[in-house]
Amino acid sequence: SYVLTQPPSVSVAPGQTARITCGENNVGKSVHWYQQKPGQAPVLVVYDDSDRPSGIPERFSGSNSGNTATLTISRVEAGDEADYYCQVWDMTSDQGVFGGGTKLTVL
Amino acid sequence: QVQLVQSGAEVKKPGSSVKVSCKASGDTFGSYGISWVRQAPGRGLEWMGGIIPLFGPANYAQKFQGRVRITADISTSTAYMDLNSLRSEDTAMYYCARAYSTTGDEYFDSWGQGTLVTVSS
Repeated sequence: SYVLTQPPSVSVAPGQTARITCGENNVGKSVHWYQQKPGQAPVLVVYDDSDRPSGIPERFSGSNSGNTATLTISRVEAGDEADYYCQVWDMTSDQGVFGGGTKLTVL
Repeated sequence: QVQLVQSGAEVKKPGSSVKVSCKASGDTFGSYGISWVRQAPGRGLEWMGGIIPLFGPANYAQKFQGRVRITADISTSTAYMDLNSLRSEDTAMYYCARAYSTTGDEYFDSWGQGTLVTVSS
């Protein structure tokens, strides 16, 4: 089955840049990213590799190159501390696939 | 923007079944997909299956094939997820989400608030 690999955790100091990767088997697929804070439903922060829904700060950006997609959070704030998930749609099987999630800690 | 409101928390016995509803408002129900995603305590997101109400039938993750049934009622703008033969490992938060796409690569741009299903004897 399809697998998306994310690092379990990323730590960054406030004001710095956080990068969260999502890798393997991405070639040809658009990658989407979600933020989930404790006790809340996920929120879409990046879709189609690099587009942002309305209301999502410009500090959140995405890229997808080769086998790895990256969510970049610039000028990290305490409120960005959350779990982040990448997701693709496997059109062969017509199914959604999520990465295992990355816990972002703001030091 | 679509708003999705789910039914309330459930406590079920092992071996029984649960039906969770997801009522949509704010857009033309039926023309977009509704997926169900679950999250066990302390674990990640897991796609279970989805349906485009106007077109049907539902499509399911292999892990849940034969145990889950996803339906939709266009007249009430409501989607349903039925999970049977419940076991303790099914204890989780269950979310419905709108599946949207401009390229064929679907993503989930609106989510319900979640329904906690607890399976316990």
